[in-house]
Amino acid sequence: GENVEQHPSTLSVQEGDSAVIKCTYSDSASNYFPWYKQELGKGPQLIIDIRSNVGEKKDQRIAVTLNKTAKHFSLHITETQPEDSAVYFCAAKDTGRRALTFGSGTRLQVQP
Amino acid sequence: EPEVTQTPSHQVTQMGQEVILRCVPISNHLYFYWYRQILGQKVEFLVSFYNNEISEKSEIFDDQFSVERPDGSNFTLKIRSTKLEDSAMYFCASSDGVNNEQFFGPGTRLTVL
Repeated sequence: GENVEQHPSTLSVQEGDSAVIKCTYSDSASNYFPWYKQELGKGPQLIIDIRSNVGEKKDQRIAVTLNKTAKHFSLHITETQPEDSAVYFCAAKDTGRRALTFGSGTRLQVQP
Repeated sequence: EPEVTQTPSHQVTQMGQEVILRCVPISNHLYFYWYRQILGQKVEFLVSFYNNEISEKSEIFDDQFSVERPDGSNFTLKIRSTKLEDSAMYFCASSDGVNNEQFFGPGTRLTVL
């Protein structure tokens, strides 16, 4: 089955700096890669996703890149703000399946 | 904005007891899911449900688990005889089946004593 590895496990940045979180996946049949933000006491919130037919997608300060050959994808947050502090999860979904396979999460701390 | 809701937010039960976790998915969604997250670990897929039947399940989803859509709005997860290792946060999610996007509820924290 699919295996998703996520790095780093914790990331501390200064407000205004950029943050990058990286994930690798094992199953070449995976074609959908969402990113979720989880704040304390809340469920995962979908913030951006990318499908295997594109290499990059941007939404304001957030961008995701996908390298299908290397089987890795990354989340980029620019101009970080204290409210970006949360745990971020990457996930992957295999073609023909419904289940998301999650990474282990990255705790992002944005220092004011 | 429509959202997935879950009740209760926290459930404490004794080992061996049955529990039912409840979810109200987003109203026009057709696919429903349960995931769980043991403290400090990854979010893990349990089961997906479509057209009143299980469409996919993981190895975790054994005979102790069952799901049901008892009416037009609720989606439930039943654990027949809880074990200590069932203690986790249980998340319900739903999707419309057109896109791959899955929207998660706030979770139910299950504590088995």
